Amino acid sequence: SQQGEEDPQALSIQEGENATMNCSYKTSINNLQWYRQNSGRGLVHLILIRSNEREKHSGRLRVTLDTSKKSSSLLITASRAADTASYFCASPAGGTSYGKLTFGQGTILTVHP
Amino acid sequence: NAGVTQTPKFQVLKTGQSMTLQCAQDMNHNSMYWYRQDPGMGLRLIYYSASEGTTDKGEVPNGYNVSRLNKREFSLRLESAAPSQTSVYFCASSPILQALGGDTQYFGPGTRLTVL
Repeated sequence: SQQGEEDPQALSIQEGENATMNCSYKTSINNLQWYRQNSGRGLVHLILIRSNEREKHSGRLRVTLDTSKKSSSLLITASRAADTASYFCASPAGGTSYGKLTFGQGTILTVHP
Repeated sequence: NAGVTQTPKFQVLKTGQSMTLQCAQDMNHNSMYWYRQDPGMGLRLIYYSASEGTTDKGEVPNGYNVSRLNKREFSLRLESAAPSQTSVYFCASSPILQALGGDTQYFGPGTRLTVL
């Protein structure tokens, strides 16, 4: 079963609007990561938030983590057409998993110019 | 610095044929991974190699074998391809073990495989 599940599955917005994607996970984690995948390309790491952090920023990205609810959110502010991509959350599989990550099914974001 | 490279980019096989997907990284990473991605699904881990000389099964290992040839290269082999193995395959690497906090993974561009 998937460790992470994203919501919504698809999101369509206009350029300049903010986009929020949510991720829920099942087991305890020591960090949660977000990746972006442009159509036909590999995944690119965006940001990592550790379990002792509640919020993290990177440019126009803001990630929050609520370990009590086992959920995370990714906010992209002032979106651009170039932000159109699929976004995945991922978390370590647990235990001494040597860096194994379990990915959610992703949110497809479309930003209209 | 090319990062993670994969060959081939595209491949069409007939049922029962075999092939090897190649992956190499030039970032001196210890750990390497093979995933498959199917429409509407996230990535599923096939096999991984925590360090040179070790390999372990992931979530969906059946029908596949791997070889960690050296620290740079990690290959995935389909011995007898089946239509269910039609997918996009991604190789990834990460610098250090999770236990040391190194979870970020770096991905290759993928191989699109079709099995007829």
